[in-house]
Amino acid sequence: GAVVSQHPSRVICKSGTSVKIECRSLDFQATTMFWYRQFPKQSLMLMATSNEGSKATYEQGVEKDKFLINHASLTLSTLTVTSAHPEDSSFYICSARSSTSGDIYEQYFGPGTRLTVT
Amino acid sequence: GQNIDQPTEMTATEGAIVQINCTYQTSGFNGLFWYQQHAGEAPTFLSYNVLDGLEEKGRFSSFLSRSKGYSYLLLKELQMKDSASYLCAALDSNYQLIWGAGTKLIIKP
Repeated sequence: GAVVSQHPSRVICKSGTSVKIECRSLDFQATTMFWYRQFPKQSLMLMATSNEGSKATYEQGVEKDKFLINHASLTLSTLTVTSAHPEDSSFYICSARSSTSGDIYEQYFGPGTRLTVT
Repeated sequence: GQNIDQPTEMTATEGAIVQINCTYQTSGFNGLFWYQQHAGEAPTFLSYNVLDGLEEKGRFSSFLSRSKGYSYLLLKELQMKDSASYLCAALDSNYQLIWGAGTKLIIKP
């Protein structure tokens, strides 16, 4: 089956620093990758959608200068949280959509990254 | 606007059957997904329905009625490991997933 990896799985950083999270599709090409944030006991919140080779589309209320997304290849997307603050502490999950024709547009999820900003 | 409604929490007994309902309103519709999410983990795919009717997959079944904007996930022979949140998500006309808030299912012995 389609596998998506995320790195790191957990990260603790100090307020004001930047953190980069990687999302990789291991055995398929992903034309589109999605970045979600999930606070405790809440559902997934889509932050942005990125297509390979183009700028990401951010959801309303998500600061694009704070959450930098780069989808440089068909297997890698990165999310950089710049000048992180404690309120950015959350569970960040990426997902990837296969470019295979006939796909049911299922999103394959990475295992998530737990970010804690102190 | 686009909206997905599902109950916040449900409780069921081990070995029993539970049905989790989901109603949706989206701009266009290209199918409905059910995902399972254990605490602290990413969602995992359970089912996809795009045509009316029931899709059975082992202990889990999913039903869709497009005319009613309604779906349910049926879990049979409940096991303790089925305790999780179940997320309903509809695929809109732009092939974007619109997520429900999730239903936390608690299984009691």
